[in-house]
Amino acid sequence: AQKVTQAQTEISVVEKEDVTLDCVYETRDTTYYLFWYKQPPSGELVFLIRRNSFDEQNEISGRYSWNFQKSTSSFNFTITASQVVDSAVYFCALSEGGSNYKLTFGKGTLLTVNP
Amino acid sequence: DADVTQTPRNRITKTGKRIMLECSQTKGHDRMYWYRQDPGLGLRLIYYSFDVKDINKGEISDGYSVSRQAQAKFSLSLESAIPNQTALYFCATRGRGTGNTGELFFGEGSRLTVL
Repeated sequence: AQKVTQAQTEISVVEKEDVTLDCVYETRDTTYYLFWYKQPPSGELVFLIRRNSFDEQNEISGRYSWNFQKSTSSFNFTITASQVVDSAVYFCALSEGGSNYKLTFGKGTLLTVNP
Repeated sequence: DADVTQTPRNRITKTGKRIMLECSQTKGHDRMYWYRQDPGLGLRLIYYSFDVKDINKGEISDGYSVSRQAQAKFSLSLESAIPNQTALYFCATRGRGTGNTGELFFGEGSRLTVL
């Protein structure tokens, strides 16, 4: 069975600090997809990134970067120079290639960026 | 207009009442999902459907039922609501195809409170 663990329940930083959100996953499949979603206080789910299991290349998008390491089953998310608008709950999720693409979510990390 | 629309967005009801949450989509996707979000628990899958004739239980289907009235519509019902069904409910869709990477497209959520 697939599982996603976000060990950090809450993180609080001061604006302009860098912050890394951890995500560890478990799966028996060789083909799978990993996702990060952002949920701001308004409640909607905002898609941030997906990564397939065959692509371990790290990705950077502006102040956001993702570190995918199959050796440690981790898909960590770093925000550089955090801003107050980054305050949200962040979810990591896993979809196995053969599981009808159901997303299994971690419990989320509440990030609070203080001015 | 949103591609995935949920109604109602907010509903307060009483224990024992029947409640229906509706979801419609304009993305032309065949796969639709209902998730429930509780604080600290992430999102958990209630039901999913691959087409009008294919309905499947998720990990927490007890107390819920669904109806896929058409490819674009997927409704979630609580036959007799109870307070621990108070939660934020999300509908999601996904397309099918060789280029698909498993990404779900979420509605804006329906906040249900059962008194």
